[in-house]
Amino acid sequence: GAGVSQSPRYKVAKRGQDVALRCDPISGHVSLFWYQQALGQGPEFLTYFQNEAQLDKSGLPSDRFFAERPEGSVSTLKIQRTQQEDSAVYLCASSLIAEKGLAGDTQYFGPGTRLTVL
Amino acid sequence: AQSVAQPEDQVNVAEGNPLTVKCTYSVSGNPYLFWYVQYPNRGLQFLLKYITGDNLVKGSYGFEAEFNKSQTSFHLKKPSALVSDSALYFCAVSNDYKLSFGAGTTVTVRA
Repeated sequence: GAGVSQSPRYKVAKRGQDVALRCDPISGHVSLFWYQQALGQGPEFLTYFQNEAQLDKSGLPSDRFFAERPEGSVSTLKIQRTQQEDSAVYLCASSLIAEKGLAGDTQYFGPGTRLTVL
Repeated sequence: AQSVAQPEDQVNVAEGNPLTVKCTYSVSGNPYLFWYVQYPNRGLQFLLKYITGDNLVKGSYGFEAEFNKSQTSFHLKKPSALVSDSALYFCAVSNDYKLSFGAGTTVTVRA
């Protein structure tokens, strides 16, 4: 079946530009996650949605980062006024159900969007 | 707080030999442990997880991992490595919904 898809796969932005990264989760998956993977590092948690509700945004690095999932399916991660330190791979993952306090759900990852800020 | 350590940046083995990738973790409460593999320009692919029950977990592509509570470890193993197993491997821990990943271990299997 179809997995998690992300677009664009690659994005080059000039410093100061705004970017929008899209994630299409697996159909029927309730939970959606965004992670940031810097070069040579493991992914780091950014934010978590359960359906359309953003339940945790504690990992967002600054107020320039904003995520939404208005209809509980597709999600967009927006970065305003991009900086060079925002260069990374942004990974989206979805799981069938992963409520706070109920761990262990398998998160399925998309291929990521590689963002390069010049 | 939760964290994972993967003490080896790189592991090199010959095809047909056993493969072990090490992982230790720190978490409060019950640990939920995962292994993912990442191929170049691709996302993370799930290999296996430990939730509860048997300490030996079997996963995809002949991989298995052993949960050791006293040593807080969750090492990934494969009895006979293939060249196609060459990739970047990540261990992750969670006690809620967030995954915390290690820095990854690059595995190279030579023919």
